[in-house]
Amino acid sequence: EAGVAQSPRYKIIEKRQSVAFWCNPISGHATLYWYQQILGQGPKLLIQFQNNGVVDDSQLPKDRFSAERLKGVDSTLKIQPAKLEDSAVYLCASSHVAGAVYNEQFFGPGTRLTVL
Amino acid sequence: KNQVEQSPQSLIILEGKNCTLQCNYTVSPFSNLRWYKQDTGRGPVSLTIMTFSENTKSNGRYTATLDADTKQSSLHITASQLSDSASYICVVPSGNTPLVFGKGTRLSVIA
Repeated sequence: EAGVAQSPRYKIIEKRQSVAFWCNPISGHATLYWYQQILGQGPKLLIQFQNNGVVDDSQLPKDRFSAERLKGVDSTLKIQPAKLEDSAVYLCASSHVAGAVYNEQFFGPGTRLTVL
Repeated sequence: KNQVEQSPQSLIILEGKNCTLQCNYTVSPFSNLRWYKQDTGRGPVSLTIMTFSENTKSNGRYTATLDADTKQSSLHITASQLSDSASYICVVPSGNTPLVFGKGTRLSVIA
């Protein structure tokens, strides 16, 4: 079974520039998550999709971050414009169904973003 | 407030030695607790999932314990190997709210 795919693996941009990340979840997984992981911290949920609908985006800075999952499969996360504090690893995860008590999330390798 | 606290923040041990990582949580309601291993530059990978009724669960050289009364969990690594060097993250789901992640313990195993 192929894992969660993410690209690019690394990205360096200057502040105020735009950047986009791509995620392809495990085949058949209805739920997709985007996390932000700052160095030395645990992952923080940015947005959760169930198929192509948003379940939770309460911690997404909507003035600069946006995400979509138009066909309910792969997803993109965009930052526009980037700030220095956006430097982090952006993790994508997927699971079969959200809300199931023992539902396990499978994580991708992440995209390391550096904002200069 | 739902929180997961881990200790120590970092740990260095010699190859072949054992170590124990700690996790305290205040998440409610409680259903299960998960330990993840995160290698540098990789996403977290699940090691164990422990339910309310489980006290101990092993996965190879990794043994997790859970005390639901004191809301504590530990991850014991036996006969450590260089490949065990990673961050170990304790995660507790709470109903339908987002997973609550600890900050992790950074383990370095040296020869």
